[in-house]
Amino acid sequence: AQTVTQSQPEMSVQEAETVTLSCTYDTSESDYYLFWYKQPPSRQMILVIRQEAYKQQNATENRFSVNFQKAAKSFSLKISDSQLGDAAMYFCAYRSAGTGKLIFGQGTTLQVKP
Amino acid sequence: GAVVSQHPSWVICKSGTSVKIECRSLDFQATTMFWYRQFPKQSLMLMATSNEGSKATYEQGVEKDKFLINHASLTLSTLTVTSAHPEDSSFYICSARRGRGIDEQYFGPGTRLTVT
Repeated sequence: AQTVTQSQPEMSVQEAETVTLSCTYDTSESDYYLFWYKQPPSRQMILVIRQEAYKQQNATENRFSVNFQKAAKSFSLKISDSQLGDAAMYFCAYRSAGTGKLIFGQGTTLQVKP
Repeated sequence: GAVVSQHPSWVICKSGTSVKIECRSLDFQATTMFWYRQFPKQSLMLMATSNEGSKATYEQGVEKDKFLINHASLTLSTLTVTSAHPEDSSFYICSARRGRGIDEQYFGPGTRLTVT
């Protein structure tokens, strides 16, 4: 079975600084996708960034980028120029290409200090 | 963009009664819908996967007789919590998948269920 682990329950960053959230996963599958989701206090899940496992190039979306290390099964999220609106709970998620089911990590609560 | 709605957003029911939560994909047809449960400050736990016109597939440990899922059309899935008890109080989130591959899942805003 696949598992996703986020070892940082809480993180804090100063506004305009950079922060990296860690995520590791375990799978025996070769075809899968990885995601980072943001859940603000409204609890609406928002897709931040996604990565296909077969792509070596790290995905980037504006201030958000990932460091995908397939051999190490690591998928960290870097947030540059942090903004107050980035404060939320962040979930790393794995999706099997076959079943389509999303498996979430435990989540990391990010606090952004002004 | 793709929009998924849930109704109601918040429901309070008495212990022993049943409550139905609706999940609708408003501007696309969903090949698959998923139901998640989330306790405060915890992760989302997948409860079941439903495909239109077929029986839902439940995750291990989820009581299928307690959490009835019906996927009557390509735009509507319902979750009925039967004979609800206080321990069923939680935040329930649905998501809908439009296609295959990298196509993302679109999440509803969630339903807060409180059983008294």
